[in-house]
Amino acid sequence: EVQLVESGGGLVQPGGSLRLSCVASGFTFSDYSMSWVRQAPGKGLEWVSKIRSSSSIIYYADSVKGRFTISRDNAKNSLYLQMNSLRDEDTAVYFCARDPYGSGFYYFDYWGQGTLVTVSS
Amino acid sequence: DIVMTQSPDSLAVSLGERATINCKSSQTVLYSSTNKNYLAWYQQKPGRPPKLLIYWASTRESGVPDRFSGSGSGTDFTLTISTLQAEDVAVYYCQQYHSTPTFGQGTKVEIK
Repeated sequence: EVQLVESGGGLVQPGGSLRLSCVASGFTFSDYSMSWVRQAPGKGLEWVSKIRSSSSIIYYADSVKGRFTISRDNAKNSLYLQMNSLRDEDTAVYFCARDPYGSGFYYFDYWGQGTLVTVSS
Repeated sequence: DIVMTQSPDSLAVSLGERATINCKSSQTVLYSSTNKNYLAWYQQKPGRPPKLLIYWASTRESGVPDRFSGSGSGTDFTLTISTLQAEDVAVYYCQQYHSTPTFGQGTKVEIK
């Protein structure tokens, strides 16, 4: 059974940093691209970033480019999102999600339960 | 970015009746080289992550009941729930993946 479990969320002040993690199981993590998608409270879904299986290609949404860094450790079946210079508008539940294919963009076939990031003073 | 617009924002349907949700993209999501529409549909229940229902506009994900179907091409798409069940109460989102992924604003489906 595919499982994605996020952690690392919490309360952080504007301008602060946070690192999210997502541990995968039930599939060969190193074969799949992975993404982060977020959802502000009571709002819709926003794709944040994608990393290919080998970390060779990375994409970011314009709203986070230059502030967030996606990475992965295939030996640990783990995906990360380093978030710096956080803003109020980054407050959201952050989901990790599996891409079924490699290069380019696709749908998301499995999602984690999400971890809540709250940016507030 | 491609803007996805869903209609209606919410709808109430009687149990056993048909629910229809529309999704319009600001530009085509049909890739001519593959002849595929890069469009997916998700269901999200409160406090839960989204669940993939449909991809390539009309391909049902494994395990999804056949009362859910997707149709459309180019810029106009539809998700149909043929006979609404109580467990189908949720918010539904369309997503394009022709370019950097974007989602519709969501359509809330309730029981009348």
